[in-house]
Amino acid sequence: AQSVSQHNHHVILSEAASLELGCNYSYGGTVNLFWYVQYPGQHLQLLLKYFSGDPLVKGIKGFEAEFIKSKFSFNLRKPSVQWSDTAEYFCAVNPISNFGNEKLTFGTGTRLTIIP
Amino acid sequence: NAGVTQTPKFQVLKTGQSMTLQCAQDMNHEYMSWYRQDPGMGLRLIHYSVGAGITDQGEVPNGYNVSRSTTEDFPLRLLSAAPSQTSVYFCATHARDRWYEQYFGPGTRLTVT
Repeated sequence: AQSVSQHNHHVILSEAASLELGCNYSYGGTVNLFWYVQYPGQHLQLLLKYFSGDPLVKGIKGFEAEFIKSKFSFNLRKPSVQWSDTAEYFCAVNPISNFGNEKLTFGTGTRLTIIP
Repeated sequence: NAGVTQTPKFQVLKTGQSMTLQCAQDMNHEYMSWYRQDPGMGLRLIHYSVGAGITDQGEVPNGYNVSRSTTEDFPLRLLSAAPSQTSVYFCATHARDRWYEQYFGPGTRLTVT
């Protein structure tokens, strides 16, 4: 079974700092990749997604992620974080098999706290 | 459109009690799923349904039952609650085969004492 690893459990940054959250997955085949965000007290929302093509994808609120196939990674980045980015971030992988899109597997999440 | 709604928002149960978490969607999606979210564990799939009358187990199905009698509703039943079921439960829905484009409900925070 595939797995998704997010090694940073809790990241604390000051406003305007740059952000990079790691995500690695273990699946040898073709995948769709996603980052979800969960703001305090809210449900999960899709931040950005990668299906194919340009490995650098841009999402909402200035976030971007880079797919590096050789490293099985899909790291999330933002050049300058804001206090409103305080949230929990989940990486998710959607393997594509002969049967089509398989179920999503979520990472364990990274809690991001931004200090004003 | 309300999207995905869940009730209740909060619930406290004693060990051994039973209850049903409600989930409804007005998006006319075939697929509905239940996840639990625990600190350090991410979201784990409990059960899912690909249409009315069809359900299947996810990653952590033990202790939970589901049924799907209509497209709109997908209740999750805890038959005999245990402290290990203390968690936040999310219902989600998506169109056929579009596991990547899920719409989540607001969640139910359950505490079992």
